[in-house]
Amino acid sequence: EVRLVESGGDLVQPGGSLRLSCAVSGFTFSDFYMDWVRQAPGKGLEWVGRTRDKAHSYTTEYAAAVKGRFTVSRDDSKQSFYLQMNSLKTEDTAVYYCVRTRNYGGGNWNFDYWGQGTLVTVSS
Amino acid sequence: DIQMTQSPSSLSASVGDRVTITCRASQGIRNFLAWFQQNPGKAPKSLIYSASSLQSGVPSRFSGSGSGTDFTLTISSLQPEDFATYYCQHYSIYPPTFGGGTKLEI
Repeated sequence: EVRLVESGGDLVQPGGSLRLSCAVSGFTFSDFYMDWVRQAPGKGLEWVGRTRDKAHSYTTEYAAAVKGRFTVSRDDSKQSFYLQMNSLKTEDTAVYYCVRTRNYGGGNWNFDYWGQGTLVTVSS
Repeated sequence: DIQMTQSPSSLSASVGDRVTITCRASQGIRNFLAWFQQNPGKAPKSLIYSASSLQSGVPSRFSGSGSGTDFTLTISSLQPEDFATYYCQHYSIYPPTFGGGTKLEI
């Protein structure tokens, strides 16, 4: 059974930092891209960032809203995926989902499994 | 960024109804489109990818179609567990973006 379990969400002041973790099981972690997607309270879904798999040199991509402040990383030996968030703003308040991404090749991929999410609240 | 526009934003229907949700991209995205279902307080669930490919385990009453800029999600016969919010999402270029959602209500 595929499982993704996020942790690390908390209340943090504007300008502060937080690190989210995602522990995975039930699949060969190193074979998959991993993404973070967030959802502000009562709002829609917003992609945050991605790390590709080892075969694609663990390269990363970021949304413009978080580039330079957030860093995605992974540790295949620990089957874990991370989101380091610095210089947090009130607009970063959201539930953050860890997402497994299946790559079908030729630019075709899909967010096929999602964790339950962890809430990050940025407020003074 | 490519804008994804869903319509309607909300929809009232009954068990057994056939419903269609539309998603329009601001520029062509070939068939690089996915659909997700989200129940209140829960994580999104993958339904469709590549515009028309059914995710494993998803009931066959769900189907997707379209290419280019116009796409549809159809539920052939609504079941009680289908009342949820549905999102489309493109992955043609970075950043992938989502539509605003369609809330399907009884």
